[in-house]
Amino acid sequence: GAGVSQSPSNKVTEKGKDVELRCDPISGHTALYWYRQSLGQGLEFLIYFQGNSAPDKSGLPSDRFSAERTGGSVSTLTIQRTQQEDSAVYLCASSLFFGTGFSPLHFGNGTRLTVT
Amino acid sequence: AQKVTQAQTEISVVEKEDVTLDCVYETRDTTYYLFWYKQPPSGELVFLIRRNSFDEQNEISGRYSWNFQKSTSSFNFTITASQVVDSAVYFCALRRALTFGSGTRLQVQP
Repeated sequence: GAGVSQSPSNKVTEKGKDVELRCDPISGHTALYWYRQSLGQGLEFLIYFQGNSAPDKSGLPSDRFSAERTGGSVSTLTIQRTQQEDSAVYLCASSLFFGTGFSPLHFGNGTRLTVT
Repeated sequence: AQKVTQAQTEISVVEKEDVTLDCVYETRDTTYYLFWYKQPPSGELVFLIRRNSFDEQNEISGRYSWNFQKSTSSFNFTITASQVVDSAVYFCALRRALTFGSGTRLQVQP
């Protein structure tokens, strides 16, 4: 079956513009995560969706960042008024949730965002 | 709050040496999961192992082994007889919303 799909794979945008990043999780995976990885750095948690519960937005760095997940499947991460420090690889991951815990995360290949 | 610390930012070993990657975590949760992921130069993240907080039994998988100790909040990863193909960044991660350490870059010299 298909893995986690992210689009676009690369995005170059001018400072101040808005961007939308898309994530298609593995079918049936109820949990969806967004992370970002700056050059040479570790993974930074952004937001987490689990089923119909309110998302955990505790990792969003500013109010310019938002995400939604429609129909419990596809998710869109939106960055408004992009800044150069937003340049990073944005990774999406999904997993199954069981009553006793989670399955390992399956990661997409990421969207490389460059803000000029 | 959750925190994962990988104090070793970069390790370089010669092929066939054993190497241990350290991971120390902090959490107030009584139930949690710990993970190790590998990120080779190609960039994708590869799942290696999951361990839940109730199971402190150490695990061995081929040349990989993991030592989980709740008493010291550590979940260390050892590669025995390292190979060049092991060169990658290795991330330790803690559930709830999967908090990642900053990663350890391992370079295995031929």
